[in-house]
Formats: sequence, C-alpha cells, structure tokens
Amino acid sequence: DTEVTQTPKHLVMGMTNKKSLKCEQHMGHRAMYWYKQKAKKPPELMFVYSYEKLSINESVPSRFSPECPNSSLLNLHLHALQPEDSALYLCASSPFETDTGELFFGEGSRLTVL
Amino acid sequence: GEDVEQSLFLSVREGDSSVINCTYTDSSSTYLYWYKQEPGAGLQLLTYIFSNMDMKQDQRLTVLLNKKDKHLSLRIADTQTGDSAIYFCADLDGGNKLVFGAGTILRVKS
Repeated sequence: DTEVTQTPKHLVMGMTNKKSLKCEQHMGHRAMYWYKQKAKKPPELMFVYSYEKLSINESVPSRFSPECPNSSLLNLHLHALQPEDSALYLCASSPFETDTGELFFGEGSRLTVL
Repeated sequence: GEDVEQSLFLSVREGDSSVINCTYTDSSSTYLYWYKQEPGAGLQLLTYIFSNMDMKQDQRLTVLLNKKDKHLSLRIADTQTGDSAIYFCADLDGGNKLVFGAGTILRVKS
C-alpha cells in the first residue's frame, strides 16, 4: 500500500460549521504534513507531525486545529472558517524524519467555505 | 528567506523535448526536487538531485544542476500528452521546510 488517502474529496461548509478532514497512510511513515493550496499557486505548509508530535506550526490561525491520533492518521479540524480559507488541502507523509523533501501526497480535499 | 523561481508556462509538441527551468537562492541546499501535479490531483515526486551531482537521469527525465549559478532544470524527452501538468521545483530550506517554486504549466500539443 503506497497511498495517502484523504477524505472527503470535496467539502462545502458554512462559516459557522465544524467539520474535519481526514488523512490516512499505511506505509509506516512517521512524518505527516498538512498543506494548503490555492488555485494556480504552490502548496503552503501548515503543520508537520513527527512521531505523532506537532513539530512545525506555520502560524496557522486557530480555526484550523490538527490532530494526530496515531502514526497512520492525521486530522484537520475546521471551525468558524472564512471564505478565503477555500482551497485544496493536501496531506503528505514521509518515510524519514522531517529533514527531507521526499513526500508522498494524497489527492487532496477541496474545501469551499460559503 | 529562501526563494525558488520558475518560468510559468511552457508549450511543446508531442514527441519534442521539454525543458523546465528553476533558480533558487539557498547556497546550502543539499537536495533539490521536482514534483508533478496533474489536474485535480495531489503532487507526485518525480525525481530529486543531490547537490554534489551535476546531472541525474531517470528514463525520460534528466535533471541538470548548476550549483554555481543556482540553476536547476528538468528535461523530459519525447514529451507525451500525459506529461501535461504543473511542475514544481522545490528546495529544502534550513528549517526543514520544503520551499516550492510557483510551478510551470506544461502544455503538450498533439
């Protein structure tokens, strides 16, 4: 199994909703990442988990809350989002610790905030 | 901070070679990466090069690195319509964060 699986693929939510994005990998990777990608732009790093501990938080607003329940799962909890948060949210994992650029990406969750 | 720049668009005919160029500013880079993103999909690591190498070849892909000029290129031989995608050059900065270029849209005309 060489995949990073993200659910849901599409999500539409209002500004008062609470929702979560889920990411799963069964490759035994110990580093997991959340990226945000706006249309026609490169991905922007949000969070990095290494061995289930948050190691990088790129000053992301608190309306985004990451969680790593175990080494295979990564969640991104969403609350009180703004329309400008609409984007493709990409999860990635790496077999190495975080000092690497060899990342395996999921297909992304496309989020629309109304 | 680290900056990575790419040309934004490249159009080639099927069967021709494509060359996508990238420049970076971090002189301490150890690895440089090329990622591909097809429409509606995530990123896929295509190849990478270690900074003490000048060239790396992997089937139809050739990566050239000019460390003196901080210039990286990706050559795709015999470009196919399936190669149409966005190609991102990326560098790992001192904080272990992957810095992406803006991406080059490759359009392959049949």
